[in-house]
Amino acid sequence: NAGVTQTPKFQVLKTGQSMTLQCAQDMNHNSMYWYRQDPGMGLRLIYYSASEGTTDKGEVPNGYNVSRLNKREFSLRLESAAPSQTSVYFCASRLTGTSGFYEQYFGPGTRLTVT
Amino acid sequence: RKEVEQDPGPFNVPEGATVAFNCTYSNSASQSFFWYRQDCRKEPKLLMSVYSSGNEDGRFTAQLNRASQYISLLIRDSKLSDSATYLCVVSTGNQFYFGTGTSLTVIP
Repeated sequence: NAGVTQTPKFQVLKTGQSMTLQCAQDMNHNSMYWYRQDPGMGLRLIYYSASEGTTDKGEVPNGYNVSRLNKREFSLRLESAAPSQTSVYFCASRLTGTSGFYEQYFGPGTRLTVT
Repeated sequence: RKEVEQDPGPFNVPEGATVAFNCTYSNSASQSFFWYRQDCRKEPKLLMSVYSSGNEDGRFTAQLNRASQYISLLIRDSKLSDSATYLCVVSTGNQFYFGTGTSLTVIP
């Protein structure tokens, strides 16, 4: 049981390049999330997927697209990277239901630098 | 106004001390509350959920005051290994809102 995995761990891009960050979970969770974390800003939600086949914008979606490929996988795409997208990106997943406290589980993060 | 506000610290305390962190949230419809711990350059990990009646897990005690929209975390008998950033997290529906975190360093 690997939990939440992310690839790559590190990436350096030039302005204007594109890339896809991959995330997968093996906990049979319904919901998946993408966050970015910048110094002094806390984690900010980019996009989330409440269930397979659905995606919704979070607080900072501009410049990003997502795909919920299946229940396990949720990818984040930067079509034209900008220096402002330099950040640490975390994927998370969560079981959802009608009752109880369902916490989020995080992947190890991707450290992205755009030059 | 931010959804979740925390004192960023830093808190520097000696081993064995008791330290308390506070957090306020703005949405009265918030449903679930958590404290996460984040070590330097690592992913956040759940420390404990926060229940309406308050709850304790060893040296850690969490309290929730819905009327004041206030959450607290108390750490007793601090250990060196408690040094980390503590994130207050509030959930409404499918969305989670994170505070910026409170930095704790426990000094020998």
